[in-house]
Amino acid sequence: DVKVTQSSRYLVKRTGEKVFLECVQDMDHENMFWYRQDPGLGLRLIYFSYDVKMKEKGDIPEGYSVSREKKERFSLILESASTNQTSMYLCASSQMTVHEQYFGPGTRLTVT
Amino acid sequence: QKEVEQNSGPLSVPEGAIASLNCTYSDRGSQSFFWYRQYSGKSPELIMFIYSNGDKEDGRFTAQLNKASQYVSLLIRDSQPSDSATYLCAVRSGGYNKLIFGAGTRLAVHP
Repeated sequence: DVKVTQSSRYLVKRTGEKVFLECVQDMDHENMFWYRQDPGLGLRLIYFSYDVKMKEKGDIPEGYSVSREKKERFSLILESASTNQTSMYLCASSQMTVHEQYFGPGTRLTVT
Repeated sequence: QKEVEQNSGPLSVPEGAIASLNCTYSDRGSQSFFWYRQYSGKSPELIMFIYSNGDKEDGRFTAQLNKASQYVSLLIRDSQPSDSATYLCAVRSGGYNKLIFGAGTRLAVHP
């Protein structure tokens, strides 16, 4: 079974803090993705990575950055957290040649 | 214009009935189509994928794809209260296996 884990299930941060969300997958997948999910807006792609040290912007990259130093790990960074970044953050991974994405359990981030 | 559209619901069906969930997409070149189930407070879980026109069956689930009409549907036979969830349609778009997700249809199966 594919296993995608995320560092925290719930996180509360203050406005202006730097926030790190980590994602680890154990299936040697090439592709990794970060989404946020908000009521009524669905899943929106923030960033994705198709290889170590490679990254591509998704639909809503503003206010976020990412890091992929190892194949199994993909980090999402909120440089200066703001209240409008309160959301559920979901990490996913997939193989290069197989298109199904598998999701981690999610991190519910609250910025106060 | 949204690229993947779903009726938000809720779609309410009685236990034992067939639930029919529909999804339309705008990119005629899309090749791969996925259905995810998401329980409240949980992450999406892949339940079906389909690549070719026609039907694909897996247990109580059937995915149907019609590329000419640009729609994909999910049928759930013998619906159970445990099927109550939001169902997300996703379409592979562009390279790197990016998926475009619909906003989801909430299904409620009542006893």
